[in-house]
Amino acid sequence: AQTVTQSQPEMSVQEAETVTLSCTYDTSESDYYLFWYKQPPSRQMILVIRQEAYKQQNATENRFSVNFQKAAKSFSLKISDSQLGDAAMYFCAYAGGETSGSRLTFGEGTQLTVNP
Amino acid sequence: DAGITQSPRHKVTETGTPVTLRCHQTENHRYMYWYRQDPGHGLRLIHYSYGVKDTDKGEVSDGYSVSRSKTEDFLLTLESATSSQTSVYFCAISRALAGYNEQFFGPGTRLTVL
Repeated sequence: AQTVTQSQPEMSVQEAETVTLSCTYDTSESDYYLFWYKQPPSRQMILVIRQEAYKQQNATENRFSVNFQKAAKSFSLKISDSQLGDAAMYFCAYAGGETSGSRLTFGEGTQLTVNP
Repeated sequence: DAGITQSPRHKVTETGTPVTLRCHQTENHRYMYWYRQDPGHGLRLIHYSYGVKDTDKGEVSDGYSVSRSKTEDFLLTLESATSSQTSVYFCAISRALAGYNEQFFGPGTRLTVL
């Protein structure tokens, strides 16, 4: 079975600074996808960024980027120029290939605080 | 917004009573999922469905059953609620986007079992 681990229950960052959230995973599959979801106090789950395992290039979405280290099974999220609206719970998630039915396995979450 | 609604949004019930949560989608997606969210555990898959009357268990399925008699509705039932089932429950659908099936989540249902 796949597992996802987020070792930082809480992180904080100053507004306009950069913060990196860590995630490691374990799988025996070669075809999979990794995600970062954001959950603000509204509880809505919002997809931040996605990485396909077969792509060597790290995904980037505006101020959000990932460092995907496939051999190390590491998938960290970097938030640049942090904004107050980035404050939320962040979840790392894993999904297997096409035969998995897109089921997600989540990490425990990292609560990010942004200080003004 | 992928047209997903959940009802009820909040519910308080007593131990031993049956509870049914409803997930409704408006876009005719094949895959639907139920997750529960608890502090320290993230979201965990309870059950999922890959079509009408086609369902399968997730990692925390004990004490839960599901039904899908129509494409648009996916029901989660707690036959006899226990305090350990106090949680926030999320429904999700899987939508094909640019070659990948991306999951979209409903707003969640907060269930308290006293």
